[in-house]
Amino acid sequence: ETGVTQTPRHLVMGMTNKKSLKCEQHLGHNAMYWYKQSAKKPLELMFVYSLEERVENNSVPSRFSPECPNSSHLFLHLHTLQPEDSALYLCASSQGTLRQPEEDYTFGSGTRLTVV
Amino acid sequence: GEDVEQSLFLSVREGDSSVINCTYTDSSSTYLYWYKQEPGAGLQLLTYIFSNMDMKQDQRLTVLLNKKDKHLSLRIADTQTGDSAIYFCAESSGGGADGLTFGKGTHLIIQP
Repeated sequence: ETGVTQTPRHLVMGMTNKKSLKCEQHLGHNAMYWYKQSAKKPLELMFVYSLEERVENNSVPSRFSPECPNSSHLFLHLHTLQPEDSALYLCASSQGTLRQPEEDYTFGSGTRLTVV
Repeated sequence: GEDVEQSLFLSVREGDSSVINCTYTDSSSTYLYWYKQEPGAGLQLLTYIFSNMDMKQDQRLTVLLNKKDKHLSLRIADTQTGDSAIYFCAESSGGGADGLTFGKGTHLIIQP
């Protein structure tokens, strides 16, 4: 158990479906992140929330919509996805302290998403 | 933009040392990290190094940093079958809620 829990572990969805990925941490961290891991590509940072406010959105298509209702929970709402969106979606959290190494950066096990 | 490069595969014999290399382009990188990802799992932090250091050792792991050449390496001594995984190099420019920039990962293959 890593301290960051992601559900579901696997998800298959059609291009017209709406689904949500969930991430939960009880590590007392202030920052949470969504990453996308595609085959043969670097991990791509999608969204960053710090103290429940979105601080970064790396040009992610609007069909991905994040939500951070509190410091322990992070969601990624999915809507009309494309097959190229199939990937492993990783959530992470950290203390988010300025000028300190992110040695407490903790990843979840990910949700394996397949869009058909 | 910032870039982190790694070779995709490394094959070593069990018991030998593994050396995984990484180069980065962001001169403002403050911290550099090595993560390990086993199949079906998330990323596990192995070690990190501050940019004003040139070496860090932690049990079987040795990290070397050449800041002038922007080159980072991870040496795993006495490589075991349990070390088989994908190893990611990552950098950040100052901590905080910045997120990390990752390489594509190096798949370490252990031969008996």
